[in-house]
Amino acid sequence: KQEVTQIPAALSVPEGENLVLNCSFTDSAIYNLQWFRQDPGKGLTSLLLIQSSQREQTSGRLNASLDKSSGRSTLYIAASQPGDSATYLCAVPGGYQKVTFGTGTKLQVIP
Amino acid sequence: NAGVTQTPKFRVLKTGQSMTLLCAQDMNHEYMYWYRQDPGMGLRLIHYSVGEGTTAKGEVPDGYNVSRLKKQNFLLGLESAAPSQTSVYFCASRARDRGRYGYTFGSGTRLTVV
Repeated sequence: KQEVTQIPAALSVPEGENLVLNCSFTDSAIYNLQWFRQDPGKGLTSLLLIQSSQREQTSGRLNASLDKSSGRSTLYIAASQPGDSATYLCAVPGGYQKVTFGTGTKLQVIP
Repeated sequence: NAGVTQTPKFRVLKTGQSMTLLCAQDMNHEYMYWYRQDPGMGLRLIHYSVGEGTTAKGEVPDGYNVSRLKKQNFLLGLESAAPSQTSVYFCASRARDRGRYGYTFGSGTRLTVV
């Protein structure tokens, strides 16, 4: 059974700081790994998807890496802004159309 | 580019009432899903569909029914609402190639059953 853990559960940083969010998974046989953000009371917005054959993906100030052998992915946010405040989820597709979502990291960027 | 659209966004039901949540996607995706999200329990899969005319049960299907008569629409029905079905419901879709494409989610329906 795939288990996905995100550390830390919550993070508070001052504006402008670079930060790293972590996602660990137990089964390395994955199709891909997807990072989402969720604002309070809103839906999940896809940030980045890393295919199983890729090592990293970048979009603007975001960079996600994937190391299947160690069961880890990191989401790097450069020059954080208050608008980055949200809960960040990683998601790993599995068998039978199942997706295992991480436990989430709640990020607060303080102006 | 609408993506995945859910209607309604909010609804309050009395116990025993019925309702249908509509999900529509304009990306020609084969697969569609219904999830519920509850505090402390994360996202749980209710039902899913791998193509027009097909449906299958997910982790928590009891009390819900679904239909996929058209490729772009996936309906979630509650025949007799119960307070335990108070939740936020999300619809998602994805393209066929599971390795290359991820999931697109709707903005959610917040349902309260009193």
